[in-house]
Amino acid sequence: EAGVTQFPSHSVIEKGQTVTLRCDPISGHDNLYWYRRVMGKEIKFLLHFVKESKQDESGMPNNRFLAERTGGTYSTLKVQPAELEDSGVYFCASSLAGGRETQYFGPGTRLLVL
Amino acid sequence: AQSVTQLGSHVSVSEGALVLLRCNYSSSVPPYLFWYVQYPNQGLQLLLKYTSAATLVKGINDFEAEFKKSETSFHLTKPSAHMSDAAEYFCAVRGLATNKLIFGTGTLLAVQP
Repeated sequence: EAGVTQFPSHSVIEKGQTVTLRCDPISGHDNLYWYRRVMGKEIKFLLHFVKESKQDESGMPNNRFLAERTGGTYSTLKVQPAELEDSGVYFCASSLAGGRETQYFGPGTRLLVL
Repeated sequence: AQSVTQLGSHVSVSEGALVLLRCNYSSSVPPYLFWYVQYPNQGLQLLLKYTSAATLVKGINDFEAEFKKSETSFHLTKPSAHMSDAAEYFCAVRGLATNKLIFGTGTLLAVQP
């Protein structure tokens, strides 16, 4: 069974540009999460989808970040316009329905904003 | 609010030595606790989790952790380190009334030959 996949693995963009990150969860997983790790700091929660609905977006830093999960399958996270402080590793995770299920993480997208 | 503290951002052990990575949590209710590992150029992999059953939890690759409520700790141990254990280890607690994970800052484990 395929794990969580993320694309691209790396992205280098200039300040002010737009970047879109994609996450494909494990098939059948209703829950999808986005997390971010800024250099040297802890991994922080961004938001949680249950199918196509945003269950919790309390971690989204500001309105430059837009997450979608059309059809309840893959998800995209768009940063527009990107700022220097957006640099970091963006992780996606997915889990089965229910609150006690293990979250399985993807390899992450390493974003560098110059 | 819940939080996790990992003592020691870098830990170095010799091959064959005991591995001890420390994690303390803050939670007003019995928590769900996790240890994840990130090997170089890979994603986070679950090592083990505590979900209020047995206080001694066994995970993959001979790792285990003991939940100690009196000490609010969930330290990760392995009796004998292997070179392949070199990685970054993260302790996490699940949020109250949400599914989100709250992570510590991570501990980078180096294993010396």
